[in-house]
Amino acid sequence: GQQLNQSPQSMFIQEGEDVSMNCTSSSIFNTWLWYKQDPGEGPVLLIALYKAGELTSNGRLTAQFGITRKDSFLNISASIPSDVGIYFCAGQGLAGTYKYIFGTGTRLKVLA
Amino acid sequence: GAGVSQSPSNKVTEKGKDVELRCDPISGHTALYWYRQSLGQGLEFLIYFQGNSAPDKSGLPSDRFSAERTGGSVSTLTIQRTQQEDSAVYLCASRAYAEAFFGQGTRLTVV
Repeated sequence: GQQLNQSPQSMFIQEGEDVSMNCTSSSIFNTWLWYKQDPGEGPVLLIALYKAGELTSNGRLTAQFGITRKDSFLNISASIPSDVGIYFCAGQGLAGTYKYIFGTGTRLKVLA
Repeated sequence: GAGVSQSPSNKVTEKGKDVELRCDPISGHTALYWYRQSLGQGLEFLIYFQGNSAPDKSGLPSDRFSAERTGGSVSTLTIQRTQQEDSAVYLCASRAYAEAFFGQGTRLTVV
């Protein structure tokens, strides 16, 4: 099925470092969502973005909806061990089409 | 309940058998999705229900897969004559506005 390009695929970082990941698409999206998935669990919603250029924070997380509406990034500041997991972006297209297209995921490992 | 509930959490079945997976969405959510996640992979869209509209079945991989949503609430995903390649985690999500919330998934193993 259709998926967004998400990068990096995986990253190992030291505790306390900042993390950045992004998603790009050839299609325009109206909504971008960022999820985190822990092993054996379903994805948990972190941040939702609704307008081009929007910058939204949730604690140590910051995400932006790209101006072109074809990309989004997620930053995690001062990473901690519990940030370990897989992060997915998801885009929802034009009004009336409510299918979410998911990115391929970024696997984050934090070294204490 | 407070969140999306899926059952069973794990299902092991023999190749060729039929299976039914259940999803109880968040109360009041009008939209319901099914996704499939193979090991180490992203989420693959299967089917989408919105109110009384005809479902979007464009992601169902074969005619062995079908889904129903009764009374606009509970949904059942049925896989007939299961194959080993059907082994995956099947995730359900419900949505009220623009944000979709997922259940914990059903891990299906076909042996």
